[in-house]
Amino acid sequence: KQEVTQIPAALSVPEGENLVLNCSFTDSAIYNLQWFRQDPGKGLTSLLLIQSSQREQTSGRLNASLDKSSGRSTLYIAASQPGDSATYLCAVSNNNDMRFGAGTRLTVKP
Amino acid sequence: ETGVTQTPRHLVMGMTNKKSLKCEQHLGHNAMYWYKQSAKKPLELMFVYSLEERVENNSVPSRFSPECPNSSHLFLHLHTLQPEDSALYLCASSPKTGNYGYTFGSGTRLTVV
Repeated sequence: KQEVTQIPAALSVPEGENLVLNCSFTDSAIYNLQWFRQDPGKGLTSLLLIQSSQREQTSGRLNASLDKSSGRSTLYIAASQPGDSATYLCAVSNNNDMRFGAGTRLTVKP
Repeated sequence: ETGVTQTPRHLVMGMTNKKSLKCEQHLGHNAMYWYKQSAKKPLELMFVYSLEERVENNSVPSRFSPECPNSSHLFLHLHTLQPEDSALYLCASSPKTGNYGYTFGSGTRLTVV
């Protein structure tokens, strides 16, 4: 059964810092990996989707990488802003479902 | 709005009540999903529907009953719930199951008293 782990569980940084969030998964036979953002009490907003054949995807200040063979992904956030404060979830897709990590709660202090 | 709409946003129900959660998508997707998000736990997949057929039931108690009348609508019927069923219930859709990204709704915050 696919297990997804995210480290760290929580992260607090000053505004302007670059940061990296980590995601690991146990079964490398995935279709894709998706990073989401979740604000408190709200639904999930998709940030980046990486297909299994891809190595990375970029959107604005966000860059996500995928190393399928080692079961790892990273989400890099450049020049962090207070508005980036949220929980970031990593999810991997196998066949009929998507398995989620527990998330990294990010706080960016002004 | 993401294109996936869930109603109601908040619901408080007693353990003997019957209620339903609704999910609607106008993205032309053929797969829809129910997830449960409890405090401090990862999202848990509950049900998967592909072209209106249930393709996965992830060992969910029978007090949760899904219904997918067409590819745009998904319901979760609730009856005789327990307080531990209190959670955020999220609906998602994708073009089809497998190698496609998911779009999520904003969720229904359910409290069972």
